[in-house]
Amino acid sequence: QSVLTQPPSASGTPGQRVTISCSGSSSNVGTNTANWYQHLPGTAPKLLIYGNDQRPSGVPDRFSGSKSGTSASLAISGLQSEDEADYYCAAWDDSLNGYVFGTGTKVTVL
Amino acid sequence: EVHLLESGGRLVQPGGSLRLSCSASDFTLSSYAMSWVRQAPGKGLEWVSALSAGSGTTFYAHSVKGRFTLSRDISKNTLFLQMNGLRAEDTALYYCARRQLGRSYSFDFWGQGTLVTVSS
Repeated sequence: QSVLTQPPSASGTPGQRVTISCSGSSSNVGTNTANWYQHLPGTAPKLLIYGNDQRPSGVPDRFSGSKSGTSASLAISGLQSEDEADYYCAAWDDSLNGYVFGTGTKVTVL
Repeated sequence: EVHLLESGGRLVQPGGSLRLSCSASDFTLSSYAMSWVRQAPGKGLEWVSALSAGSGTTFYAHSVKGRFTLSRDISKNTLFLQMNGLRAEDTALYYCARRQLGRSYSFDFWGQGTLVTVSS
């Protein structure tokens, strides 16, 4: 049972902007940085955003992250068909002394 | 190029044991914190265990504590996950992941995964 809550699904048409929320607590997102991963089941997850709002080299600037208090958000602007995937937020949790993933959001491009 | 290759996954009976390996290429394993993350069929990502850089302090998810042991062999540049007392709910694709350097706890490189199936 995850301690980071995300909406189960999100969708948009090509070119639209989609936002995914991640609700945590003071022991994880509230204290430590939020990170986002893109995942197609059966393949290696990909780091999209780290340190709340930093993009690794090679990640398009269509992807952006933000954090406010105990919540984080991932925005995908200019949605493309290849963005169809599962998205997870994650952070270290000081109370659990472990890493926690969000419940995951499936993004569909209509 | 950085590469992580997991192996060791197979079908095992409940209560059985298994050792997963994660072979690292193009970087020194002991200089980075490493983790195992799993995905059960139809479920989300779940962090399993971590081993810190340097000292090699280990951390475990509550669901596996006391049953799984994480270790590394520096000479082989390989990470191991010893899994004992396996249960049906441990059935999953297990990924090895490298924590990137810096303040943010995030995984910059992942393997392709090795499948563990616990069933009689």
